[in-house]
Amino acid sequence: AQSVTQLGSHVSVSEGALVLLRCNYSSSVPPYLFWYVQYPNQGLQLLLKYTSAATLVKGINGFEAEFKKSETSFHLTKPSAHMSDAAEYFCAVSRAAAGNKLTFGGGTRVLVKP
Amino acid sequence: DAGVIQSPRHEVTEMGQEVTLRCKPISGHDYLFWYRQTMMRGLELLIYFNNNVPIDDSGMPEDRFSAKMPNASFSTLKIQPSEPRDSAVYFCASSFQQGYEQYFGPGTRLTVT
Repeated sequence: AQSVTQLGSHVSVSEGALVLLRCNYSSSVPPYLFWYVQYPNQGLQLLLKYTSAATLVKGINGFEAEFKKSETSFHLTKPSAHMSDAAEYFCAVSRAAAGNKLTFGGGTRVLVKP
Repeated sequence: DAGVIQSPRHEVTEMGQEVTLRCKPISGHDYLFWYRQTMMRGLELLIYFNNNVPIDDSGMPEDRFSAKMPNASFSTLKIQPSEPRDSAVYFCASSFQQGYEQYFGPGTRLTVT
């Protein structure tokens, strides 16, 4: 069974500072990987996805993530945090053999300080 | 496209009542998913459909929960009878094909008193 671990349920960053959210997965075969963002009282919105093409994936709102097979990681970064980045972020993994089922990490809530 | 549409956005009901949540997926998407989100358990997949056929309902917590997809543009999640522990945000999501990203609706916030 595949699983996703997000290190840190809460992260606090200063406006303009680097945002780094960590995600590790366990999967016996190369998975599809996703990052979603959830703003208060809203549904999840796709930030970016990795589907076995380029290992560095660029997403919306200036976010990017790097797939590292050797480390089974898919960390999310943004060079400069903005107040509007305050939200909860979810890493998710799926495998073609498992249909389209997504397994989500526990989420990381980001607080941006002015 | 309007995205995934869910109704109602908020539902408050009393214990023992029947609750029906509705979802309209994005046109052309073959997969439809129902999730539940709570503080304690996070995001849980309840059931998913492929081409209107239920594929995996192993996440449905109890027989009180049932889901249907009578056609490609409509699905329901029903709870009968409802209990306070069913209080959560329920999301519907749809996806084009295997391995593609899922698009989520805005959710239905259910409160059972």
